[in-house]
Amino acid sequence: DAKTTQPPSMDCAEGRAANLPCNHSTISGNEYVYWYRQIHSQGPQYIIHGLKNNETNEMASLIITEDRKSSTLILPHATQRDTAVYYCIVSQGNLIFGKGTKLSVKP
Amino acid sequence: NAGVTQTPKFQVLKTGQSMTLQCAQDMNHNSMYWYRQDPGMGLRLIYYSASEGTTDKGEVPNGYNVSRLNKREFSLRLESAAPSQTSVYFCASSSQGVVDTQYFGPGTRLTVL
Repeated sequence: DAKTTQPPSMDCAEGRAANLPCNHSTISGNEYVYWYRQIHSQGPQYIIHGLKNNETNEMASLIITEDRKSSTLILPHATQRDTAVYYCIVSQGNLIFGKGTKLSVKP
Repeated sequence: NAGVTQTPKFQVLKTGQSMTLQCAQDMNHNSMYWYRQDPGMGLRLIYYSASEGTTDKGEVPNGYNVSRLNKREFSLRLESAAPSQTSVYFCASSSQGVVDTQYFGPGTRLTVL
């Protein structure tokens, strides 16, 4: 079973920041937090990962709480092309995908 | 770079038929993976190969076999297809360092009648 809890769906207005939460209260010290997304039945796409510190890349920012029990993926200026299912995964090896959050970015 | 390629894109089988799904990557990755995704569900790991010459079972291996033909290619075989194997199959690869960033192919949509 997936070790994360995500809301099943969220809406976001185009141009606004999309903040996707993830709870992972049983995360262990050597497990990373990964985010992937899947656009309309394509293969999943890697977004970002982190261990303890907050991370930022050209796609998104990842904010991990100090106790590491939860995290938030931030898409700073969401567009309709960001409409997808977003998966939060904690792992030190093989990835276990849950059902993710379906993000709908509306004009 | 093509990344991860999969063939075929679509396939329809009758119950009991066999087929092999092909996957190849051109990123010189050590590890390769096969997943299946049923409607409305996340991906489930079928088999993986941590390095050339090794294969291991994932979460749902029953009814499947795999072959790591060389570093580039990892095939998935259904010996006797069943309707329960109707799914979308994704192949992925990774360099398998401490951080396991996987790159996925476009998928094969399989229907077993």
